[in-house]
Amino acid sequence: DTGVSQDPRHKITKRGQNVTFRCDPISEHNRLYWYRQTLGQGPEFLTYFQNEAQLEKSRLLSDRFSAERPKGSFSTLEIQRTEQGDSAMYLCASSSTMEQYFGPGTRLTVT
Amino acid sequence: GENVEQHPSTLSVQEGDSAVIKCTYSDSASNYFPWYKQELGKGPQLIIDIRSNVGEKKDQRIAVTLNKTAKHFSLHITETQPEDSAVYFCAAKRNLNAGKSTFGDGTTLTVKP
Repeated sequence: DTGVSQDPRHKITKRGQNVTFRCDPISEHNRLYWYRQTLGQGPEFLTYFQNEAQLEKSRLLSDRFSAERPKGSFSTLEIQRTEQGDSAMYLCASSSTMEQYFGPGTRLTVT
Repeated sequence: GENVEQHPSTLSVQEGDSAVIKCTYSDSASNYFPWYKQELGKGPQLIIDIRSNVGEKKDQRIAVTLNKTAKHFSLHITETQPEDSAVYFCAAKRNLNAGKSTFGDGTTLTVKP
């Protein structure tokens, strides 16, 4: 296993468009996390899944954001009606214990 | 909620010197404290962690200390090398079932050859 993978690595979209990102966790990890990171800041927690159940959501996750993890394997994060303030790196991490392992991220640019 | 503060924001050392990065946290219920290294264009990489029942942990050139009473923990890198140059983040988390980890704002470490 090569670790957490994310797709796409980069996404440029126009304001108002919808975008969807995918995360494939390490295969034996039942926990999956989404974070957002802007320049000069640490990752900010967005949401967390244990298997297919979404157990925790941050207040940062507005109604325009939705995340799913069908069948408890890969996860998708969708942003509807993108705004310029959504421009950031979206990071996915997975774990089976306390240690979280991050993917390379998807960099979103909203023009 | 938890608040993690990290200092300094930038740190420049000469190759071979030691580097120390410090973090404080606010939530006394936090009991897991990882450190991550992030290189340009990559996701954070876990380099060492410590749990609240341990005061110090060492792995080769890196060590982490925790003072739970004072709510602060530190990363120590000895014999620094140019490849240690990166952004380092500390984080705090309550327990396994608490999804959220709260991160500091990072320290940009530059090791000059």
